[in-house]
Amino acid sequence: DTGVSQDPRHKITKRGQNVTFRCDPISEHNRLYWYRQTLGQGPEFLTYFQNEAQLEKSRLLSDRFSAERPKGSFSTLEIQRTEQGDSAMYLCASSLTTSPGELFFGEGSRLTVL
Amino acid sequence: AQSVTQPDIHITVSEGASLELRCNYSYGATPYLFWYVQSPGQGLQLLLKYFSGDTLVQGIKGFEAEFKRSQSSFNLRKPSVHWSDAAEYFCAVGARAAGNKLTFGGGTRVLVKP
Repeated sequence: DTGVSQDPRHKITKRGQNVTFRCDPISEHNRLYWYRQTLGQGPEFLTYFQNEAQLEKSRLLSDRFSAERPKGSFSTLEIQRTEQGDSAMYLCASSLTTSPGELFFGEGSRLTVL
Repeated sequence: AQSVTQPDIHITVSEGASLELRCNYSYGATPYLFWYVQSPGQGLQLLLKYFSGDTLVQGIKGFEAEFKRSQSSFNLRKPSVHWSDAAEYFCAVGARAAGNKLTFGGGTRVLVKP
């Protein structure tokens, strides 16, 4: 098991473009979380899935953000019409329902919007 | 709503000296509490957790933390720091329901002097 992997690790885009990040969780983990982290801040919760169901979305997640986990395995986070304020590190984590709060994080996808 | 405060943004400590990182939380009931560490270029890693029972919990890498309900605190300690402990440390509180999503503090960056 190689842990949680995220792709791409870095993305530079121009304002107004769409970007998509992918997260591959630890294979037996049924919960998957997306967080956002800006410089000097702690991670902020965006959304989470249990299997393929998206069970909660933060108010931080505007209509331009959408996340999917189509088969309960990998997940994608898409940001449409990017804005400079979207520049951040997007973190993915996974866990087991039986181990509440014990999140395994990927190394993150850093987004820079010019 | 749950929240976490880490009063110290930066701490500098000499190698071999003791370390204590402060964490205060706000939560309506008995929370799940966690400490995570983020080393440069790496994902967040769980150091230790508190769910219930003994209020002094042991974690990996020689860290321990003490839950004090009366002070709403969960401070992290290490008796003797190593240069490899230089990193950013995040305290987090988790709901006992709602997917166990975590709310993180702003983090404390630890610098270790030789």
